[in-house]
Amino acid sequence: SQQGEEDPQALSIQEGENATMNCSYKTSINNLQWYRQNSGRGLVHLILIRSNEREKHSGRLRVTLDTSKKSSSLLITASRAADTASYFCATNLMGAQKLVFGQGTRLTINP
Amino acid sequence: DTEVTQTPKHLVMGMTNKKSLKCEQHMGHRAMYWYKQKAKKPPELMFVYSYEKLSINESVPSRFSPECPNSSLLNLHLHALQPEDSALYLCASSQAGLAAYNEQFFGPGTRLTVL
Repeated sequence: SQQGEEDPQALSIQEGENATMNCSYKTSINNLQWYRQNSGRGLVHLILIRSNEREKHSGRLRVTLDTSKKSSSLLITASRAADTASYFCATNLMGAQKLVFGQGTRLTINP
Repeated sequence: DTEVTQTPKHLVMGMTNKKSLKCEQHMGHRAMYWYKQKAKKPPELMFVYSYEKLSINESVPSRFSPECPNSSLLNLHLHALQPEDSALYLCASSQAGLAAYNEQFFGPGTRLTVL
């Protein structure tokens, strides 16, 4: 089964609102990463948070990690139409040399 | 140069054809990856090369054959594919060492259709 599960599967909000996406995972990790994918294109790395970190910021993005609950959240503040995309969390399992991607959240920002 | 390039962008092939996908990066990354992505699904790892050596093969069928001729290039040779192999094939690269400790840079992908 997938290591990362995301919710919601789809999210539609108005421009200017905040968007929150959640990711849960099952086993211990080294780090957790968030990626964005515009329709049919390659993925763009957004942020990496290590297992000993609890929160990171990058511009309008805020990521939290709760290793006790095995969960992470991505908050996009003041959303823009250009934020419309699919967002994936990806986990690096302890001892593994690869990333495992969650199912993704499809975010739509309505003008 | 922080770009990963992939050619071709689109590829249509028959089940008896032989074709190759190409990926190139000039960021000095020594880890390179092939992923397969079906519509509305997450990318699935196929292969990882580290320092030009195959380090991970995720039990991919032998009709997919990867090759890493040098530190900047990664190829995926395709032969006798099936229609269910139609997907977006993504190449990525990252800094050397353990693949998942670093962010990965993705190319735009090759949209493959097998008839």
